[in-house]
Amino acid sequence: GQNIDQPTEMTATEGAIVQINCTYQTSGFNGLFWYQQHAGEAPTFLSYNVLDGLEEKGRFSSFLSRSKGYSYLLLKELQMKDSASYLCAVYNTDKLIFGTGTRLQVFP
Amino acid sequence: EADIYQTPRYLVIGTGKKITLECSQTMGHDKMYWYQQDPGMELHLIHYSYGVNSTEKGDLSSESTVSRIRTEHFPLTLESARPSHTSQYLCASSESAQPNTEAFFGQGTRLTVV
Repeated sequence: GQNIDQPTEMTATEGAIVQINCTYQTSGFNGLFWYQQHAGEAPTFLSYNVLDGLEEKGRFSSFLSRSKGYSYLLLKELQMKDSASYLCAVYNTDKLIFGTGTRLQVFP
Repeated sequence: EADIYQTPRYLVIGTGKKITLECSQTMGHDKMYWYQQDPGMELHLIHYSYGVNSTEKGDLSSESTVSRIRTEHFPLTLESARPSHTSQYLCASSESAQPNTEAFFGQGTRLTVV
């Protein structure tokens, strides 16, 4: 089977840092993506990891450990507009499979 | 900005009707996907395609069918709609079979079957 697990919901305060974890068990692995999805909108690409380590992109960073089947998305200097769902997705051999998603709510 | 379009955006239809959800992309992408997503829930892969004349079933069993006669077009058809088909359907495409290319999503079709 295939499992991609994330916490269902998280809350944080404007200006803070939040880490959203993703664990995966898939039959194949060719990379891990993070997407952001605002309510009622399409997902948009945030980051991609295929090698172990940290990828930084402005306020967002993503980390991967292939041996542990683990990734996290780090959001710094949170803004109200960061309130959204964050989707972890694994490229499994030949298709993109999504996790359960984490709904993040940022409070003033 | 991604050039992938889905029509209609919203559709309310009666039980038993046949419907086709349209998805078109102008980026020349080979890989295309259909996902089903209930409100606040995860995306489930229902169909995907490597290119023209290629269609594959995803991980979620679906009563829908797809076709890929042209690179840019990947329509999804429900032969007989049922209330259990009520959901949001998202189409996506990516440049090639290379895994490091991001998938671009359409705005989705929100389907309600009454």
